[in-house]
Amino acid sequence: GAVVSQHPSWVICKSGTSVKIECRSLDFQATTMFWYRQFPKQSLMLMATSNEGSKATYEQGVEKDKFLINHASLTLSTLTVTSAHPEDSSFYICSARRDLNTEAFFGQGTRLTVV
Amino acid sequence: QKEVEQNSGPLSVPEGAIASLNCTYSDRGSQSFFWYRQYSGKSPELIMFIYSNGDKEDGRFTAQLNKASQYVSLLIRDSQPSDSATYLCAVIYTGNQFYFGTGTSLTVIP
Repeated sequence: GAVVSQHPSWVICKSGTSVKIECRSLDFQATTMFWYRQFPKQSLMLMATSNEGSKATYEQGVEKDKFLINHASLTLSTLTVTSAHPEDSSFYICSARRDLNTEAFFGQGTRLTVV
Repeated sequence: QKEVEQNSGPLSVPEGAIASLNCTYSDRGSQSFFWYRQYSGKSPELIMFIYSNGDKEDGRFTAQLNKASQYVSLLIRDSQPSDSATYLCAVIYTGNQFYFGTGTSLTVIP
């Protein structure tokens, strides 16, 4: 099966600092990667869709200047939470897809805690 | 209206029974539908996908799709305690977004 690796698994940072989360597709080339945020007992909220080599498409209400997404290659996408605040604490999950209309495979998720 | 809707549950069924999970979506142009399972604190894992109207069976799981009515369902036969989890319906919209429903919490009682 397809493997998506997300790093780090958890991170604690101080308020006002930035945090970068990496998402890699290990055994396939991902034409599209997705970033989600999940609060406790809630569903996955799509933050943005990114295609390799182009700017990410952000969902309504998601600040593109705060959540910087870079999809530099077919196997790597990064999410940077800039100037993090306690309300940004959440479970962030990436997923990757080979082709249009196919299933997406998920990374392990990153639990971010901002103190 | 939310893009993908599910009954949040919780849904409880006895071991060995059939669990039925339902999902509706709002984009008539959607072509691809998925069911994922998520355990607490973990990432979702794919159970199955369905692209065509009708039923698709995979072991104890059957997905049903009705594009005219814009719903997709998942049946779990011979439910086991290990099936206890949150089940997420996912739909690819025509703009390439991959949306998830709110999830249905299932508990299988031994």
